[in-house]
Parts: sequence; C-alpha cells; structure tokens
Amino acid sequence: EAGVVQSPRYKIIEKKQPVAFWCNPISGHNTLYWYLQNLGQGPELLIRYENEEAVDDSQLPKDRFSAERLKGVDSTLKIQPAELGDSAVYLCASSLGGWGSDTQYFGPGTRLTVL
Amino acid sequence: KNEVEQSPQNLTAQEGEFITINCSYSVGISALHWLQQHPGGGIVSLFMLSSGKKKHGRLIATINIQEKHSSLHITASHPRDSAVYICADVGDKLIFGTGTRLQVFP
Repeated sequence: EAGVVQSPRYKIIEKKQPVAFWCNPISGHNTLYWYLQNLGQGPELLIRYENEEAVDDSQLPKDRFSAERLKGVDSTLKIQPAELGDSAVYLCASSLGGWGSDTQYFGPGTRLTVL
Repeated sequence: KNEVEQSPQNLTAQEGEFITINCSYSVGISALHWLQQHPGGGIVSLFMLSSGKKKHGRLIATINIQEKHSSLHITASHPRDSAVYICADVGDKLIFGTGTRLQVFP
C-alpha cells in the first residue's frame, strides 16, 4: 500500500514569491492534515480536513496561506507571498477515521527554504 | 491552554540499555500519540493510547490518565532506534511536544 505522497520534497524560493505543496493521502483516508515543523520543534497543525471540508483551520495564517481539498482526496497548500519566516518543513498526514480515533500516517514532508 | 512537555530533551545510551522517555500534559485528553521521527524528517506513528499499556516489539508505551503522564520505553536499545521521539495529545487540538532526541551508540 502506498503511503502519503508529497511533492515537491524540496523547494527554494525568494521571498514574496508564491509556492504550492501537494499531498496525496493514503487511499480511503477521509481525514487529511497539514502541519508545519520548524527545526527542533514538534509539528504544528495548520489545517485539518474531513473529506473536502476544512473542519479546523484556526491556526492557518489566512492572510497568506490557503489550502484546498476539492474532491476530498488530494490537497494543495499554498503560500502567497512567502516570507523568510515560512522556511520550514511542511508535513501532510492522513488517517482513516476522524480526529483522535485513528493513527495518523505522515508523508515525507516538503522542506521549504525562503531566501 | 494545553501544554505537552517531554523529558529529557536529549538522551544518549549504549546499545542494549533500557530507555525511558517521559511525556506530561496539562489538560485532560482523549488519547496520546507517540511518534518517531528519523533524520531526514520521516515521521512514523508508534502508538495511540488512551489507557493502560501498549507493546510493539521492543517498544512499550504506558499512560496514566489521572497523573496526565505517559512514558515510552525501549528495551534492548539499538543504534537504529536513534531518532526523535515525539508525543502528542489528541484533544481538542493536536498538540505536539518538542521531542526527545535519542542517540544509541554501539
């Protein structure tokens, strides 16, 4: 069974440029999560989807970040414009069941460097 | 606000030693998640538990809901266990600890 797929694995951009990350969860997993992880820190939840509905986006900086999961399968996270402080690893995870009831499976992450 | 604290932050051990990593949280939770993150970033879920104890191979996780405390034990540690171990509380928000960096030397 394929795991959570993320692309690209690495991205280097200049500040003020837009950037997008893509995630394809494990087949059949209804819940999808986007996390941000700074160096030496634990992941921080950005947004959680139940199917195509964003059920928790309270920690997503909406002035520059946006996400979508139009068909309830794969998802895209966008930053526009990127700032220096956005440099981090962006992790996607999915789970079969809902919040708190099921193990999350993580993708390899996208390492973003903003110059 | 729930806070998740792990100790120690860094841990070194000789191969074969018994390892304990602790996790404390401040607000009652429904479940606690233990994860392993290898160099390079890959995160693997180890356990999700809401009571008692779970065992998988050389890994054992325990939780005491009343004391708001969980421990991850590794028996007969091996260099391939070297990783960052992260606990996360699964409550209203999924809040992660900052992790315990474990290095096991041969």
